Amino acid sequence: NAGVMQNPRHLVRRRGQEARLRCSPMKGHSHVYWYRQLPEEGLKFMVYLQKENIIDESGMPKERFSAEFPKEGPSILRIQQVVRGDSAAYFCASSPETPTAPGNTIYFGEGSWLTVV
Amino acid sequence: GEDVEQSLFLSVREGDSSVINCTYTDSSSTYLYWYKQEPGAGLQLLTYIFSNMDMKQDQRLTVLLNKKDKHLSLRIADTQTGDSAIYFCACPSGGSYIPTFGRGTSLIVHP
Repeated sequence: NAGVMQNPRHLVRRRGQEARLRCSPMKGHSHVYWYRQLPEEGLKFMVYLQKENIIDESGMPKERFSAEFPKEGPSILRIQQVVRGDSAAYFCASSPETPTAPGNTIYFGEGSWLTVV
Repeated sequence: GEDVEQSLFLSVREGDSSVINCTYTDSSSTYLYWYKQEPGAGLQLLTYIFSNMDMKQDQRLTVLLNKKDKHLSLRIADTQTGDSAIYFCACPSGGSYIPTFGRGTSLIVHP
């Protein structure tokens, strides 16, 4: 059973370009979370999605950032018109149950490191 | 202040015990987690504890929970150089049950 798969692992973009980060959850998991880790900081929650639905996007910047989790295919985190401050590690996680389910555990991918030059 | 707080650094000698501390604010937290992150890697779930427990032991790891003081700790017995990493405490907060992470404690193990 493969873990949470993220790609690309490393991405370099020039200011103003778009970045697309992909995440395939663990098999059987329909709940996906995106976190961002800025240099020398902890992980900050961005968005929680179930298949085809955004459940909680309270941590998403209001502009330029969007996320989706289509019925088929991976979850995508999209950053438009990237700026230097978007440089960070973006982690995807998945779980088999909702966050409120007893014993629900969240498994993380290896992360995608975005560098904006 | 932050919802979840940890000290940033801990240095121990190989073979000693390490104790990493964490405080949190949300009393509704049900499950509390410890993750490990090695350089350039993702987060590995180490262990978790349910809020109605005060201790959980798993081989070299012991988790202690003081719910009254909202204090969580991770003890690593017989710390090895391979334990050097950043350790994150994560506690669901804000009623959403989605884990909020501390800033992480860098554990440095020296010979």
